[in-house]
Amino acid sequence: EAQVTQNPRYLITVTGKKLTVTCSQNMNHEYMSWYRQDPGLGLRQIYYSMNVEVTDKGDVPEGYKVSRKEKRNFPLILESPSPNQTSLYFCASRGLGYTDTQYFGPGTRLTVL
Amino acid sequence: SQQGEEDPQALSIQEGENATMNCSYKTSINNLQWYRQNSGRGLVHLILIRSNEREKHSGRLRVTLDTSKKSSSLLITASRAADTASYFCATDAYNNDMRFGAGTRLTVKP
Repeated sequence: EAQVTQNPRYLITVTGKKLTVTCSQNMNHEYMSWYRQDPGLGLRQIYYSMNVEVTDKGDVPEGYKVSRKEKRNFPLILESPSPNQTSLYFCASRGLGYTDTQYFGPGTRLTVL
Repeated sequence: SQQGEEDPQALSIQEGENATMNCSYKTSINNLQWYRQNSGRGLVHLILIRSNEREKHSGRLRVTLDTSKKSSSLLITASRAADTASYFCATDAYNNDMRFGAGTRLTVKP
């Protein structure tokens, strides 16, 4: 089954404690991205990656890091989380064709105290 | 910055009625996609319309695209309570970068 998986699904942490949210896809997609969703703001892109070792900033990259060492994985790293990073995070992937649709993971709800 | 902007922000209708949501965007696009999201869950792709298409149908969904006005609409006919969700448009620009709007929250009352 084609899918994007994220872990953990829920996380409560404290300010400054480094954390990683993993994302994995099994569709051999080149393109992967991370979004955060906040009430009234829709989805805002954090980082995206066109392929292995190629990453670019989205609209709200501050406070986040990513890596793309393998095609299937695209972890999101918060080196020093702050309360304003409390949000719902989605990972997504798709191919690079003009009509390729984007598949989303189930979401990770992060609370930073 | 966000590319798509949905209108209205919220829509409440009775079961059986049609629901129309609009999306406006700012720059040239490859295609425009509509997604649905049930509360707090992942987004599910509904339909994609290419920049050279003007109208597309999928079941009870009808999407139109007007590139001259940089706008799109999503029509859900004969709505059901199960259609209650948030609906997002996403624009796919030529650099393969997708941008989402803030969404329309649709409530269908039984």
